[in-house]
Amino acid sequence: KAGVTQTPRYLIKTRGQQVTLSCSPISGHRSVSWYQQTPGQGLQFLFEYFSETQRNKGNFPGRFSGRQFSNSRSEMNVSTLELGDSALYLCASSSLHHEQNIQYFGAGTRLSVL
Amino acid sequence: SQQGEEDPQALSIQEGENATMNCSYKTSINNLQWYRQNSGRGLVHLILIRSNEREKHSGRLRVTLDTSKKSSSLLITASRAADTASYFCATDEGGSYIPTFGRGTSLIVHP
Repeated sequence: KAGVTQTPRYLIKTRGQQVTLSCSPISGHRSVSWYQQTPGQGLQFLFEYFSETQRNKGNFPGRFSGRQFSNSRSEMNVSTLELGDSALYLCASSSLHHEQNIQYFGAGTRLSVL
Repeated sequence: SQQGEEDPQALSIQEGENATMNCSYKTSINNLQWYRQNSGRGLVHLILIRSNEREKHSGRLRVTLDTSKKSSSLLITASRAADTASYFCATDEGGSYIPTFGRGTSLIVHP
């Protein structure tokens, strides 16, 4: 099976712009989660989608949004970018088998906001 | 906010030595997982231990869980240079199955 694919791998944006990141989960996985990783805050949970519905949400402002399509692919959008949004954004998919939520991560998208 | 906190923050050892990392958490959990992250890449799942389990093995990995002390340890035996990475514990608590990650332990194994 192919792993989790995230595109693009690297992005450079300026303050005030918006950005869309893409994630293709492992085939058959219906749960997709997004995380932000920074040196200062570590790995922070953004949100989780399941069957095109946002099921869980972390403590991030409304500038961070996402969606999931019928094929389980997911996108994450950040509007009005701030310098502090510079981070590694990780997507993870899961099959949620027997209440064990093992996350399979993509390689991440490195976002730099200038 | 972090549920699990790893200790130490950084660990430097020689190839062939054992590496032990600890994780402490605050509330009751359903499962505890350990992940590895090579520099700038995604995390890779290593092992999951349920709250009713005390010890689990996978290859050179040994994980213990002490729910009375709300702590877990990850032991890597006979470390190799390729084990150089950051190691994270992740817990899911109560009715939530969303794992919450600690800040990680950075392990360097010198050849």
